[in-house]
Amino acid sequence: AQSVSQHNHHVILSEAASLELGCNYSYGGTVNLFWYVQYPGQHLQLLLKYFSGDPLVKGIKGFEAEFIKSKFSFNLRKPSVQWSDTAEYFCAVCRNRLAFGKGNQVVVIP
Amino acid sequence: DAGVIQSPRHEVTEMGQEVTLRCKPISGHDYLFWYRQTMMRGLELLIYFNNNVPIDDSGMPEDRFSAKMPNASFSTLKIQPSEPRDSAVYFCASTSVVREKSTEAFFGQGTRLTVV
Repeated sequence: AQSVSQHNHHVILSEAASLELGCNYSYGGTVNLFWYVQYPGQHLQLLLKYFSGDPLVKGIKGFEAEFIKSKFSFNLRKPSVQWSDTAEYFCAVCRNRLAFGKGNQVVVIP
Repeated sequence: DAGVIQSPRHEVTEMGQEVTLRCKPISGHDYLFWYRQTMMRGLELLIYFNNNVPIDDSGMPEDRFSAKMPNASFSTLKIQPSEPRDSAVYFCASTSVVREKSTEAFFGQGTRLTVV
């Protein structure tokens, strides 16, 4: 079965620190990969997506993610976080069915 | 397009009552997903439809839960009878898959359900 693993469910860091969130999936073959963000009290919004091509994907708000096919990974990064990046981040993998990881709760301390 | 539209935004009901959540997907999208989100369990896929047909309902927690999609523009998630542990935010999302490539999933604003 298709599964998505996110580690370090709770992340606390200071403003200007760098952030990296790991995402691994178990599905073989061609997949589409996504990172979503959910700000407190809001619905999920797309940060970035990967379908094909350059494995380094740039998203909104300074986020990027790198697809490493050999490692079945799609890790999210941001070099310098802001307080407004406090949110929950979800990795998702899709072929026919959209499967989400458990999420990473990120708290940025001013 | 106005995006995925869910109603109601908030629902407070008494235990044992029937609850119906509604979703209007984005026009042209052929996949519709129902998710439940709680602090304890995170984001759980309950059921998804493709071209109005339920494909996988293995995430539906119990027989008290049922979902329908009578046409391409409308879906319902029903809980009967509701219980306090059903309290959660229920999200509907839609997407389209063309030649095995999925566009991003668009989420509705969610329905916050409280069963007292």
